[in-house]
Amino acid sequence: EIVLTQSPATLSLSPGERATLSCRASQSVSSYVGWYQQKPGQAPRLLIYDVSNRATGIPARFSGSGSGTDFTLTISNLEPEDFAVYYCHHRSNWPLTFGGGTKVEIK
Amino acid sequence: QITLKESGPTLMTPTQTLTLTCTFSGFSLSTTGVGVGWIRQPPGKALEWFAHIYWNDEKQYSPSLKSRLTITKDTSKNQVVVTMTNIDPADTGTYYCAYRRQASWFDPWGQGTLVTVSS
Repeated sequence: EIVLTQSPATLSLSPGERATLSCRASQSVSSYVGWYQQKPGQAPRLLIYDVSNRATGIPARFSGSGSGTDFTLTISNLEPEDFAVYYCHHRSNWPLTFGGGTKVEIK
Repeated sequence: QITLKESGPTLMTPTQTLTLTCTFSGFSLSTTGVGVGWIRQPPGKALEWFAHIYWNDEKQYSPSLKSRLTITKDTSKNQVVVTMTNIDPADTGTYYCAYRRQASWFDPWGQGTLVTVSS
């Protein structure tokens, strides 16, 4: 089973700042990494798929990068609606797994 | 437009069998490549994938839960059903179903249903 480790667990930032979230895989997942955003009381929403592709309707301030075992989600110029929990996820093989999440909170 | 909705019991007693139903619209589980997965989330914790079924009846289970799970589909009713035996308080959480084609991603998700296991 591939373990995804996200860091930091919590990121305290102000609106307008840049958020950099990390996801490290226990073995290579090639480019099969995605990112989800989850707000309190809501289901997760797909943000980024295949490392760097934005899902439908996702603003350009969200970007993804990385390869192999190290991946990054960057949110440039944080908007108030971006404060949420973010999960990375791989689909490289079964079983599918998710990272532990990074909470982006208002400083 | 693809939509999914989970349904099932809200409160269960340990050792019982949990049955959850995902009712969907906007796609058919008889279409090549189409699949539905189940993901759960204990309160305040991370997401955990645990079961998946494809149009061709291929099934995948989380190794840690495999012995307790069965996933089936009813194409005529547009439903996917998952059963989990010998339920435990550690199984408390929100259970989501989500659309996922082969070689693709969970999108969209259902709203989730909260299951509490307590004696």
